[in-house]
Amino acid sequence: AQSVTQPDIHITVSEGASLELRCNYSYGATPYLFWYVQSPGQGLQLLLKYFSGDTLVQGIKGFEAEFKRSQSSFNLRKPSVHWSDAAEYFCAVGSNSGYALNFGKGTSLLVTP
Amino acid sequence: GAVVSQHPSRVICKSGTSVKIECRSLDFQATTMFWYRQFPKQSLMLMATSNEGSKATYEQGVEKDKFLINHASLTLSTLTVTSAHPEDSSFYICSARFDGEQYFGPGTRLTVT
Repeated sequence: AQSVTQPDIHITVSEGASLELRCNYSYGATPYLFWYVQSPGQGLQLLLKYFSGDTLVQGIKGFEAEFKRSQSSFNLRKPSVHWSDAAEYFCAVGSNSGYALNFGKGTSLLVTP
Repeated sequence: GAVVSQHPSRVICKSGTSVKIECRSLDFQATTMFWYRQFPKQSLMLMATSNEGSKATYEQGVEKDKFLINHASLTLSTLTVTSAHPEDSSFYICSARFDGEQYFGPGTRLTVT
């Protein structure tokens, strides 16, 4: 069965500092992996996705993620965080693109001045 | 392109009444839509997969007689929460599959008093 673990419920970083949000998955086959961001009361916005190929994926808003099969991880990174990045971040896994997704519990990001 | 809308964005209803939530694909046709439920500070949980012209497929533990899903056209899926109770209060998010991708609506906040 698919599952996604986001070990960090809350993360606080200073504006301008680097960010890494952790995501571990459990899936029997090659997973389709996604990172979404959700602002308060809003829907989900896709940051980036990985299906195959280069394991370092570039996304929108300066985010990137690296797929590491040996560690079953798909961590999200940003070199310099902006105050507007404060939001809830969800990692998700699917069996195929466009199919129903299994989401992690999310990581709430707080950005301090 | 690939915009999904939901209506209403917020709804308050009294316990025992029914409420309908609409999910529309605005600029594409979607044979498959998904309904998710999100409790406060929790992840999104898939409730059901809605296929145009056929019965929805519900996830284990989701009461199909309570959460009625109708996907009568290629651009509209509806979720009706029947005989709503306070524990049904939640954030309901739909998504639609198009061209191998999944696009999310902005969500509907349901409060049952």
